Amino acid sequence: QSVLTQPPSASGTPGQRVTVSCFGSSSNIGGNPVNWYQHLPGTAPKLLIYSNNQRPSGVPDRFSGSKSGTSASLAISGLQSDDEADYYCAAWDDSLNGHVFGAGTKVTVL
Amino acid sequence: QGQLVESGGGVVQPGRSLRLSCAASGLTLSTYAMHWVRQAPGKGLEWVAVISYDGSNKLYADSVKGRFTISRDNSKNTLYLQMNSLRPEDTAVYYCAKGRGGVTSSRDHWGQGTLVTVSS
Repeated sequence: QSVLTQPPSASGTPGQRVTVSCFGSSSNIGGNPVNWYQHLPGTAPKLLIYSNNQRPSGVPDRFSGSKSGTSASLAISGLQSDDEADYYCAAWDDSLNGHVFGAGTKVTVL
Repeated sequence: QGQLVESGGGVVQPGRSLRLSCAASGLTLSTYAMHWVRQAPGKGLEWVAVISYDGSNKLYADSVKGRFTISRDNSKNTLYLQMNSLRPEDTAVYYCAKGRGGVTSSRDHWGQGTLVTVSS
């Protein structure tokens, strides 16, 4: 059981907008920045969004993040076949004194 | 754009030990926190441990506390994970990752991972 809750799957057709939600609590999302990672099994995970809504250099602006209270979301606009991957939210947890991940959301491009 | 390369994975019996290494090239790790994150077969990412830039602060997930030790050698630009009393549930791909800043920050560079299999 992950501390952060994500839907197991999301899908869309090419060009569509897909959102992935992440629910937490006051000890993690409610009080700390949220980060999002893209992961293709067998490869190195990639930081997509840090500090709720900041993109590292090289990440397309099709990816955006937001946070409100104890929940956060990742939006992918102009969905492309290359976006098929697992997406994880993560945050620092003050009660656990450690980092926590969501269970991951598999995004499928139909 | 630097890279992180993990090594030291393999097959080990329950109760035995293994030490993982993570060598950096094109990246200077000495001013950043460093992490270990793992992914068990068919499961999601799980944070394992973090060490501050100077090694003075080390934090662990409850699942490995007391069995795993994270350390670093900044002169060698290398991170380590000593894993003792290994259990079958420790079977996973282990990734090292560089923090963007301190121990609570996100991870912006990741290695390709090394597979650890705990089995008799």
